[in-house]
Amino acid sequence: GENVEQHPSTLSVQEGDSAVIKCTYSDSASNYFPWYKQELGKGPQLIIDIRSNVGEKKDQRIAVTLNKTAKHFSLHITETQPEDSAVYFCASTDSWGKLQFGAGTQVVVTP
Amino acid sequence: NAGVTQTPKFQVLKTGQSMTLQCAQDMNHNSMYWYRQDPGMGLRLIYYSASEGTTDKGEVPNGYNVSRLNKREFSLRLESAAPSQTSVYFCASSELAGAGNTIYFGEGSWLTVV
Repeated sequence: GENVEQHPSTLSVQEGDSAVIKCTYSDSASNYFPWYKQELGKGPQLIIDIRSNVGEKKDQRIAVTLNKTAKHFSLHITETQPEDSAVYFCASTDSWGKLQFGAGTQVVVTP
Repeated sequence: NAGVTQTPKFQVLKTGQSMTLQCAQDMNHNSMYWYRQDPGMGLRLIYYSASEGTTDKGEVPNGYNVSRLNKREFSLRLESAAPSQTSVYFCASSELAGAGNTIYFGEGSWLTVV
């Protein structure tokens, strides 16, 4: 089945700097890659997603890139702010269309 | 519009006890899911219901049962709780099952089995 690996597990950045989280997947048939943000005590919430026919997608300060050949995709957060502190999960769909999640990255933005 | 609502928020069980986690969504979604979240393991799918009247096993179904009561409600039952089932449980829903459909999560239910 699909296996999603996510790195790093924790990331500490200075406010205003950029943060990058990387994920790799194993199923070459995967075609949908969402990113979720989970704040403390809350459920995960979709922040951006990308499909396999697109290499890059941007929404204000967040962007996602996809390299299908290498089977990896990344989340980029620019000009980080304290409210970006959260756990971020990548995911990809398996051959049945069900999401497989990475283990998560705890991002801490320090003022 | 509350989205996905799950109860209870917190529960402590003794080993061997049973309980049911309730979930309801008000977005008229066809598909509903139960995930568990454990440290360092992300979210793992327990069971899902692609549409009313159907349920299927996910990645970690052992020790659980589900019921899709109607289009709005999807419950998760632990028949004989074990300490390994201590976890945070999330109910979720999407308009349809399959790739590209945004999954909306509830706030979570913290379950401790002692």
